[in-house]
Amino acid sequence: AQKVTQAQTEISVVEKEDVTLDCVYETRDTTYYLFWYKQPPSGELVFLIRRNSFDEQNEISGRYSWNFQKSTSSFNFTITASQVVDSAVYFCALSDDKSGNTPLVFGKGTRLSVIA
Amino acid sequence: DTEVTQTPKHLVMGMTNKKSLKCEQHMGHRAMYWYKQKAKKPPELMFVYSYEKLSINESVPSRFSPECPNSSLLNLHLHALQPEDSALYLCASSFRLAGGPYEQFFGPGTRLTVL
Repeated sequence: AQKVTQAQTEISVVEKEDVTLDCVYETRDTTYYLFWYKQPPSGELVFLIRRNSFDEQNEISGRYSWNFQKSTSSFNFTITASQVVDSAVYFCALSDDKSGNTPLVFGKGTRLSVIA
Repeated sequence: DTEVTQTPKHLVMGMTNKKSLKCEQHMGHRAMYWYKQKAKKPPELMFVYSYEKLSINESVPSRFSPECPNSSLLNLHLHALQPEDSALYLCASSFRLAGGPYEQFFGPGTRLTVL
């Protein structure tokens, strides 16, 4: 069975601080895909990253970086020098079916508040 | 065009009304999705269409009826809803299903209130 755990329900930081959002996943498949989405107050989910299980390279995109560690089944997301516009709910998600018949499994989300 | 549009943005309806939600994308995506999201919860998948055919129905009550008239358009017809159906309804699309899963692109959602 697939499961995604985002243990941090809410995080509050002061602007310019770095913040890491944790994501731990469970799957029995050797091939799987992990995603991060951002949901600002407007409601739309914004795709941030897709990573497959064979690619353990960490990724950096501007102030965002992702640390994928298969040994600990974690796919953590770090925002460097946070800004007020980063305030949102962030979801980690997992899918392990290349046929597409298994939908995305979302974690419960982490609400990030960045205070000016 | 790299977006998914949804109309209306807000909808208030009574339990005896019939209404429809509309979703449109022009990215050439062949998989389209409906999700329901309650406050402070993650999105829950309702339906998946692949190449205009219903691929997944997550045991959704028949008062929700999806329709995919063409590859760009996805509708959700609502009839005899209950107050507990009040939620944000999100539409998404992705490149396709097989060979994926591919990242899904979401619309802004329709915030539905059932009185």
